Amino acid sequence: EDQVTQSPEALRLQEGESSSLNCSYTVSGLRGLFWYRQDPGKGPEFLFTLYSAGEEKEKERLKATLTKKESFLHITAPKPEDSATYLCAVQSVQGAQKLVFGQGTRLTINP
Amino acid sequence: ETGVTQTPRHLVMGMTNKKSLKCEQHLGHNAMYWYKQSAKKPLELMFVYNFKEQTENNSVPSRFSPECPNSSHLFLHLHTLQPEDSALYLCASSQVIGAGEPCEQYFGPGTRLTVT
Repeated sequence: EDQVTQSPEALRLQEGESSSLNCSYTVSGLRGLFWYRQDPGKGPEFLFTLYSAGEEKEKERLKATLTKKESFLHITAPKPEDSATYLCAVQSVQGAQKLVFGQGTRLTINP
Repeated sequence: ETGVTQTPRHLVMGMTNKKSLKCEQHLGHNAMYWYKQSAKKPLELMFVYNFKEQTENNSVPSRFSPECPNSSHLFLHLHTLQPEDSALYLCASSQVIGAGEPCEQYFGPGTRLTVT
């Protein structure tokens, strides 16, 4: 069974304090790993797709990386507007279009 | 309208009521999805539709009944719900290219459902 575990559950940082969020996964065959951002009361917003180990994607202050067992979302010099819940999901070769989500990391950036 | 829209945004219903949630995607995608998001739990896939055909039902109780009249519209009909069905119901769409290709899903804002 495909599984996704995100850590930490919650993270508080000061503005400008860089850190990383972790997404560990087990999947029979990885078709894709996805990162989303979700603000309170809203739907998840797509950020990145990673396909293979060693791949990296960047968007503004965010960089996502992928290994065979985990993915990291690195946040460099965050701002208060980066506060949100970040979700990781995997799509397996056997799972067709099904995405399996982790529980998310709730990130708070204090000014 | 752009992206994926959902109506209503908030819904309160009694256990004996019948209501429907509506989703529309303006992205030209060929697949649509219903997800349930409960507090403290990961998003759970409920239904998948490809080209208007249901291809996955993730063991969802029959009190939830999906309908997909075309590739742009998706409904979730609700009847005799239980209080534990209170959650955020999210609609998503994607463009399925090939059997082996990953497909990112784009979500609507959700309907916050409260069952009393």
